[in-house]
Amino acid sequence: DAGVIQSPRHEVTEMGQEVTLRCKPISGHNSLFWYRQTMMRGLELLIYFNNNVPIDDSGMPEDRFSAKMPNASFSTLKIQPSEPRDSAVYFCASRGQEYNSPLHFGNGTRLTVT
Amino acid sequence: ILNVEQSPQSLHVQEGDSTNFTCSFPSSNFYALHWYRWETAKSPEALFVMTLNGDEKKKGRISATLNTKEGYSYLYIKGSQPEDSATYLCAFLYNFNKFYFGSGTKLNVKP
Repeated sequence: DAGVIQSPRHEVTEMGQEVTLRCKPISGHNSLFWYRQTMMRGLELLIYFNNNVPIDDSGMPEDRFSAKMPNASFSTLKIQPSEPRDSAVYFCASRGQEYNSPLHFGNGTRLTVT
Repeated sequence: ILNVEQSPQSLHVQEGDSTNFTCSFPSSNFYALHWYRWETAKSPEALFVMTLNGDEKKKGRISATLNTKEGYSYLYIKGSQPEDSATYLCAFLYNFNKFYFGSGTKLNVKP
């Protein structure tokens, strides 16, 4: 089991550019979460999917952020256009359907927008 | 937004000391309480998933207890080692997939 795989590990981009973060959940997990870690807010939920369907996107900051899960093994988080305040570490996590299943986090993508 | 509080925010102990921290959460609509260990520059890793009032879990020198009626969980580390240095996060599960994370307790164990 390779765990949750995120790419890229680091992304440096200029303000106004489009950024796409990618996530491959653990095979068999049916829930996928996107979190953002900042100094001010700690770990905040952006969106989560259940069986590829977005369930709660109330944490998505604004229309510049969008997330998709076209199939059970892939999800993207897109920021367009990016702004310096989007700089943070973005984590993807997946979870199995058992009631006592924990979250399994990827290694995160460190995004820097200059 | 539900309030999940962890205390203390940070803790500095000597190697060999035993320590404990607290996670407070709403006592209603409880589904589960998770503990995660988060080392610097890494990603959070699950320690315990606790679902029943009175649950006690143990993994090596780390253990946790749960009181859902009064809304708290304790995490204990016996004989702290430098490799225990990390941030310990608790997460209150409100329904099947709605997690509310505390801000964490940052533990530093000095050799």
